[in-house]
Amino acid sequence: VLTQTPLSLAVTPGQPASISCKSSQSLPDDNGKIYVYWYLQKAGQPPQLLIYEVSNRFSGVPERFSASGSGTDFTLKISRVEAEDVGVYFCMQVVGGLSFGGGTKVEIK
Amino acid sequence: EVQLVESGGGLVQPGESLRLSCVGSGFSVGGYWMSWVRQVPGKGPEWVGSTKPDGRDNDSVGSMKGRFTISRDNAKSSLYLQMNSLRVEDTAMYYCVAHGLRSNWGPGTMVSVSS
Repeated sequence: VLTQTPLSLAVTPGQPASISCKSSQSLPDDNGKIYVYWYLQKAGQPPQLLIYEVSNRFSGVPERFSASGSGTDFTLKISRVEAEDVGVYFCMQVVGGLSFGGGTKVEIK
Repeated sequence: EVQLVESGGGLVQPGESLRLSCVGSGFSVGGYWMSWVRQVPGKGPEWVGSTKPDGRDNDSVGSMKGRFTISRDNAKSSLYLQMNSLRVEDTAMYYCVAHGLRSNWGPGTMVSVSS
């Protein structure tokens, strides 16, 4: 089970944001990789990959997005939120099957 | 370009069946665990089930167990979801996901179950 907080976030443009994803079990290290992903789903669109394997930015993802974590605790950070960052963010872990965080809705103040 | 494209969705009545397909391109589908994921509009994603690269150990979960069957044809770079005895609560967008693949999700295919 992945517990994601907060449920929603209203951020002033240019301000930082942080989203937490906690796993109910410590995630195994598979050949040095931990399969935790972060996605952004904008309204009416499929999820787009932001971060793979805990902390690696996907191609084309702005540098203002970063992520970290180990064991049971994982975090996504946006250094300076922009208007285009609005949407629902969710974490996903791959351990046998797939588990998903409940999502965090980010909106602009 | 790495891509996954789902198809086969539609509007059906409760109790009917539907078969979804997913075609992968730009990567070797046969080298990956593959899963189906569904998402009710406005809700978070829900894992439907997965299949190993060799096509064995196909399993759906929860309320879908016994009704949904996952299969694959690696020669056709394809994944399938056979959905039987559909219920209103199966209404959702369905996506296929390759475990560990660094890629956006495909567009999904919408399944609507209604009388």
